[in-house]
Amino acid sequence: SYEVTQPLSVSVPLGQTATITCGGNNIGIKNVHWYQQKPGQAPVLVIYRDTNRPSGIPERFSGSNSGNTATLTINRAQAGDEADYYCHLWDSSTAVFGGGTKLTVL
Amino acid sequence: EVQLVETGGGLMQPGGSLRLSCAASGITVSDNYMSWVRQAPGKGLEWVSLIYSAGITNYADSVKGRFAISRDNSKNTVYLQINSLRAEDTAIYYCARGKFYGGPPPFDLWGQGTLVTVSS
Repeated sequence: SYEVTQPLSVSVPLGQTATITCGGNNIGIKNVHWYQQKPGQAPVLVIYRDTNRPSGIPERFSGSNSGNTATLTINRAQAGDEADYYCHLWDSSTAVFGGGTKLTVL
Repeated sequence: EVQLVETGGGLMQPGGSLRLSCAASGITVSDNYMSWVRQAPGKGLEWVSLIYSAGITNYADSVKGRFAISRDNSKNTVYLQINSLRAEDTAIYYCARGKFYGGPPPFDLWGQGTLVTVSS
């Protein structure tokens, strides 16, 4: 089965750029989606199909995917961006989630 | 309002069974990919099962043979039957809709989740 790897935690100073990675074998050929989950809440889709933002998601959120790494980038990080972030893709009709990355805004 | 509402969770005995429900409003479940995703306490997201619009189903290897997903189009509701409950099934169970944007779908709509606790 396909596996993806995320760092357990990422820290970013307030107002700076946060980068969260999702690694997998040749992940660049797959469509990767990203979710934000705050404590006690359901996940929220923030990026779909590598680079697309759903309606209502700030432009500060962007994504890329190439080679063996997909990346979620959060520009001008705010305190409200503190959350767990998960990457997600489909592999042979099976959904695969990364283990999640806890983002701390310092 | 477009929403998914899960019910049916609770404290269950090991070896028991339960059925979770996901009632949809504002969307038609039979027109969509519908999935169940669970999250054990303090852990990450784990995909459990899906049902396609055509009615075809699929399961994570970890639950195959014990879980069954189904839907009732007349009630616009998706179900998850869980049998032979184990302690490791303890989790919040989310219902989610897979939205097609021209490729493998993301989950763009989530319910609030229902907590299943398996303990003697």
